[in-house]
Amino acid sequence: DTGVSQDPRHKITKRGQNVTFRCDPISEHNRLYWYRQTLGQGPEFLTYFQNEAQLEKSRLLSDRFSAERPKGSFSTLEIQRTEQGDSAMYLCASSLNSGRRDEKLFFGSGTQLSVL
Amino acid sequence: AQKITQTQPGMFVQEKEAVTLDCTYDTSDPSYGLFWYKQPSSGEMIFLIYQGSYDQQNATEGRYSLNFQKARKSANLVISASQLGDSAMYFCAMREGKGAQKLVFGQGTRLTINP
Repeated sequence: DTGVSQDPRHKITKRGQNVTFRCDPISEHNRLYWYRQTLGQGPEFLTYFQNEAQLEKSRLLSDRFSAERPKGSFSTLEIQRTEQGDSAMYLCASSLNSGRRDEKLFFGSGTQLSVL
Repeated sequence: AQKITQTQPGMFVQEKEAVTLDCTYDTSDPSYGLFWYKQPSSGEMIFLIYQGSYDQQNATEGRYSLNFQKARKSANLVISASQLGDSAMYFCAMREGKGAQKLVFGQGTRLTINP
């Protein structure tokens, strides 16, 4: 049983470049989340998918950020025209829709982005 | 306003001692769930324990227990018989409201277990 996998683990880019991250959730999970975590802080919610539908987006997700989950399986998070303030760990999580409040999220190890 | 507050940036405990990590929350919704996650240096968030707002008893999972005081809006994590492998960041999180799916996290507490 594989967990949530994210690729790449680390990404170094220059300011102004575009970057794309991939997340593969646990295979039977129909919900997928993206979070951002800066050093010394807790994860901050960015967006959430149920199957291929993007159901919620945080105000943190500026128009330079776009996330997709085209077939309801893997997801990509793209950041256009990166800025130094985008440097952070980007965490992906998945869950199985249980309709219960105790539905827990399973997280990947994250993609660490450094914008120079 | 902070939904989840963890007031202890760092905690240092001797191995085999018990430790309590504090968490207070803010919500006006009567239906909510509280979670604790552990984040070791590898980065992956690991689920530890869950407490529902309507649960009558405090949650327990092995060495982890939750001291849930609803009137005070606190959900402190208690780790008994701490081990060196417990050294990590610990995050309290909340899911509130009907139909809500996202978890809102606190700032975390870094726990260090000394041998």
